Amino acid sequence: QSVLTQPPSVSAAPGQTVTISCSGQNSNIGSNYATWYQQLPGTAPKFLIYDNDKRPSGISARFSGSKSGTSATLSITGLQTGDEADYYCGTWDRTLSAYVFGTGTKVTVL
Amino acid sequence: EGQLGQSGAEVKEAGESLKISCQGFGYTFTSHWIGWVRQRPGKGLEWMGIIYPGDSDTRYSPSFQGQVTISADKSISTASLQWSSLKASDTAMYYCARLVGASLDSFDIWGQGTMVTVSS
Repeated sequence: QSVLTQPPSVSAAPGQTVTISCSGQNSNIGSNYATWYQQLPGTAPKFLIYDNDKRPSGISARFSGSKSGTSATLSITGLQTGDEADYYCGTWDRTLSAYVFGTGTKVTVL
Repeated sequence: EGQLGQSGAEVKEAGESLKISCQGFGYTFTSHWIGWVRQRPGKGLEWMGIIYPGDSDTRYSPSFQGQVTISADKSISTASLQWSSLKASDTAMYYCARLVGASLDSFDIWGQGTMVTVSS
């Protein structure tokens, strides 16, 4: 069972902005960096955001991340049909000594 | 940058054994943890465990401890995941990924996945 909670789904029209929350605890998000992954249909997850708010090389600036306390947030601006995917947060949990993933959020472009 | 290449899809019967593999290219394989992640059809990502190929230090998720074995052969830059007796509930896509970050926060490189189908 996931210890990081995300909304099951979010949706918006093309060009709009969506935000996805990732709620955790002091032992994970609260004390470590949050990472975000994008999983397009039928493909492996892709590294999207690391250290709460940094983008790996090649990731569009339309994707941004932030963290406050025990919650992290992913924002996607200028939404495109190609952004339709599942998005997961993740980090190391110091109490569990385990990597934990969020429950996942499906983004739909209306 | 690096890449991870996984072995091909498997179709097995319940009770059979299986070993799938993940080979690293283009980076120092022994200097980074490699993790395994399960994704059942239509479901989310589940962390199974990690191994440090440099010294084979291994950590398991409690959910998978005793159910699978993670190993590595640094001479061929390959990590492996194996089952001694498969169950139908092991049907899933299995991904390997490189774990990085000061606090092991991020899986930055992912394999393409190995689909394992177990019939009962």
